[in-house]
Amino acid sequence: IAGITQAPTSQILAAGRRMTLRCTQDMRHNAMYWYRQDLGLGLRLIHYSNTAGTTGKGEVPDGYSVSRANTDDFPLTLASAVPSQTSVYFCARSARRDRGPYEQYFGPGTRLTVT
Amino acid sequence: TQLLEQSPQFLSIQEGENLTVYCNSSSVFSSLQWYRQEPGEGPVLLVTVVTGGEVKKLKRLTFQFGDARKDSSLHITAAQPGDTGLYLCAARFDGNNRLAFGKGNQVVVIP
Repeated sequence: IAGITQAPTSQILAAGRRMTLRCTQDMRHNAMYWYRQDLGLGLRLIHYSNTAGTTGKGEVPDGYSVSRANTDDFPLTLASAVPSQTSVYFCARSARRDRGPYEQYFGPGTRLTVT
Repeated sequence: TQLLEQSPQFLSIQEGENLTVYCNSSSVFSSLQWYRQEPGEGPVLLVTVVTGGEVKKLKRLTFQFGDARKDSSLHITAAQPGDTGLYLCAARFDGNNRLAFGKGNQVVVIP
């Protein structure tokens, strides 16, 4: 139902390494988002994209970059991972039903551990 | 500053009991959404409320949007173990299509 996939499911990464988390949707919706979820801090927006070719910074963008070359794919890159980036990462897409409010649909998440 | 405050943070009840959790803000929202998240999975949208005072029912779950559109409640009647999960409220802010999320209400229903 979500129409959005993420890879990998989980990853253990050495500090200083580069990592790209993949996110793909099959609904061709314009808006996509990356969140991280941490105990006690909830879901926090990292980056977003309102449409292919555009991206924007969310609440916690430092240390992360994104690209949106096409409608379906929205990869998140950690250029040089640090232990504080250990988290569960969720990708989401956004759609409106019948010109109603925007609603977000989440992928299954990627659990990343940086050692 | 947290835009959406959810309370209680954690609630444990026996199967068959009723419960209510809350999502509050000092801001007015055009719409508010509730999601449920189970361990190891992404949040799943349950409902969107738009009109002040609106009540929506989803089986044993009743969602209400406050008259002033600043708060919402979720009431579960005769809770079942399958209702266990993290309930998240979310609302649009700054006139765009991004959502602000509360930290969630962790509900545990004991068989």
